[in-house]
Formats: sequence, C-alpha cells, structure tokens
Amino acid sequence: QSALTQPASVSGSPGQSITISCTGTSSDVGSYNLVSWYQHHPGKAPKLMIYEVSKRPSGVSNRFSGSKSANTASLTISGLQAEDEADYYCCSYEGSSVRVFGGGTKLTVL
Amino acid sequence: EVRLEESGGGLVQTGGSLRLSCVASGVTFSSYEMNWVRQAPGKGLEWVSYISGSGNTIYYADSVKGRFTISRDNAKNSLYLQMHSLRAEDTAVYYCSRDTVFGVVMPFDYWGQGTLVTVSS
Repeated sequence: QSALTQPASVSGSPGQSITISCTGTSSDVGSYNLVSWYQHHPGKAPKLMIYEVSKRPSGVSNRFSGSKSANTASLTISGLQAEDEADYYCCSYEGSSVRVFGGGTKLTVL
Repeated sequence: EVRLEESGGGLVQTGGSLRLSCVASGVTFSSYEMNWVRQAPGKGLEWVSYISGSGNTIYYADSVKGRFTISRDNAKNSLYLQMHSLRAEDTAVYYCSRDTVFGVVMPFDYWGQGTLVTVSS
C-alpha cells in the first residue's frame, strides 16, 4: 500500500486553469476506473469532488473535471476561484475495498 | 441530512488502547459500507479500515493490521474502531466516512468532523 504520487503544490491566478496529477501503478490507478478526488480545507471534513475518474457528485461545480490515462489520473480546475484554495487528494482502489490515497497537493490561488 | 459524528479521541500513552465511535443519522446505516480514515499532523489522508454493511467483510491498512479492529452495530447506527498497542505514529485526526455503492461507486462521500487521537509517552 504505497501512497499515490501527487505534486506537493500547485498555484494559479483567479480565472486560470490548473491540473493536479496523481500517479499510481498498474495495481491501483491503472487497474480500476475507481479514482476519486477530495477537497480538504484545514479544520473541515474532506469533500468528495470526483468519483469513478470523471463523475461529479450532485452540487459540485462543473469547473472540476477528472480524467485518467494508464497509471496517471488528473484533476483539472478551470476558472480558479479564491475558495478553491485547499488541499486536494486523489484516491484509488487497490483491489476489493482496499484504498490508497495520494500524498496531497496544496493549491494556492494567487 | 446525513450526519456522521465521531467521539472517543483523546490522549493515550504509547502501548495503550482507545476505542473510537461514530454515530450516523439521516441514513439507513446498515445499507452502507463504512471506513476509518486518518490524518496525522502535517501529513496527508490515510485510509485505515473498511467494513461492509453487514460487517462480514473487513479490510485494514498494513500499518494498523493486527492492532486495530473495526466493527459496527447497525441497531445503534454506530461504527467503532478499537485501537491497541498504540504508537506515536498513530497520532492523528480520525474520520469516519461512508461509501455509496448503489450502481455507482462513490467512496468517502460523507465524512464526520473527526476526533483527535494523541499518543504520547
């Protein structure tokens, strides 16, 4: 159960788009279309933003989108807003219901 | 409205034990798979354990296997995490979180606010 690899930090200006990558292996990200993404503001509960690679739960802005190619998944946030500043985590199934998270990416909106 | 509320955290000595609880409301608890996820200070999220709706299927992260036990009482809408042989590296905020798997797979779609466990000598 090795953590998925995410960049430690990304930044962008309001209105811009950013992409966060999440690299795993053929045993997790590459094997299952079950990558999910979470937004976490410090001191609050994490929030599900993307599930099954590219689907958005009800209520999540369509500025958030997900994709996957081979062993790497990506989260794209378009039209950056100040409230998007948070930590973002990817997560993948490793088999059955065993999961692994990425190390997290701190998004700074300049 | 779905609510998950954890309790039971606190300060415990290295090698000690602690039992966390999570009470769910606004949901048919037995229909949902549940998890514990933790976040150590300054670190990222770490999945800890999973339990099926019936309680018959259970998984653990390697880091806690043999020391932690997950369980549930569907009659009380409650999820538990019994922790033994606690180590400094178990210090974290522990969250309970729900999976929705009806036709779609939405892992960790609801979370509690977390309970802090501090392990110190």
